[in-house]
Amino acid sequence: ETGVTQTPRHLVMGMTNKKSLKCEQHLGHNAMYWYKQSAKKPLELMFVYNFKEQTENNSVPSRFSPECPNSSHLFLHLHTLQPEDSALYLCASSQGDNQPQHFGDGTRLSIL
Amino acid sequence: QKEVEQNSGPLSVPEGAIASLNCTYSDRGSQSFFWYRQYSGKSPELIMFIYSNGDKEDGRFTAQLNKASQYVSLLIRDSQPSDSATYLCAVIGTGGYQKVTFGTGTKLQVIP
Repeated sequence: ETGVTQTPRHLVMGMTNKKSLKCEQHLGHNAMYWYKQSAKKPLELMFVYNFKEQTENNSVPSRFSPECPNSSHLFLHLHTLQPEDSALYLCASSQGDNQPQHFGDGTRLSIL
Repeated sequence: QKEVEQNSGPLSVPEGAIASLNCTYSDRGSQSFFWYRQYSGKSPELIMFIYSNGDKEDGRFTAQLNKASQYVSLLIRDSQPSDSATYLCAVIGTGGYQKVTFGTGTKLQVIP
């Protein structure tokens, strides 16, 4: 398997549920990213991890909790989400600073 | 003021014509510039990246960068219907990959 793999592809959850999104990259990259993409809005960078250390948190609400156990895996733990959190969540990886990012297929999240 | 600006389109061009997509950015210290293509319902796919002033060509695609004018463009020669997609401009500003910013994208329609 190559590239960046995200699971699940689709997720429907209630506002009180707890779920996790998973991302795995097979490119040997050292940086991983979580983005949110909503309709009519640009991609929003949420979190950045470099060598599994978090280097950026773009004022993301605490109901989103990232975890990066190693350079190849990235999780986004979700709890008590709001309807406005419904969006496409994209994971990406890159080799390092100023290098292109490669995206996974995303998880389409719907909050009921 | 938006950090990365793109005309949302749609930009309609006939098959075989040259499509010209433009992007301006506000961070004068930006060093890295990327173009991604995103088909409806899919994740962004890297098309081109450019770091230095001037032109960079790859097949039918040419990226042009003018740092003095804070302007980056993407030219698509011999446009094909399969090029119909949304094209995202991404810029890494001062602060490195933690400061990657995407534009809202330009929707391109190639008319057969």
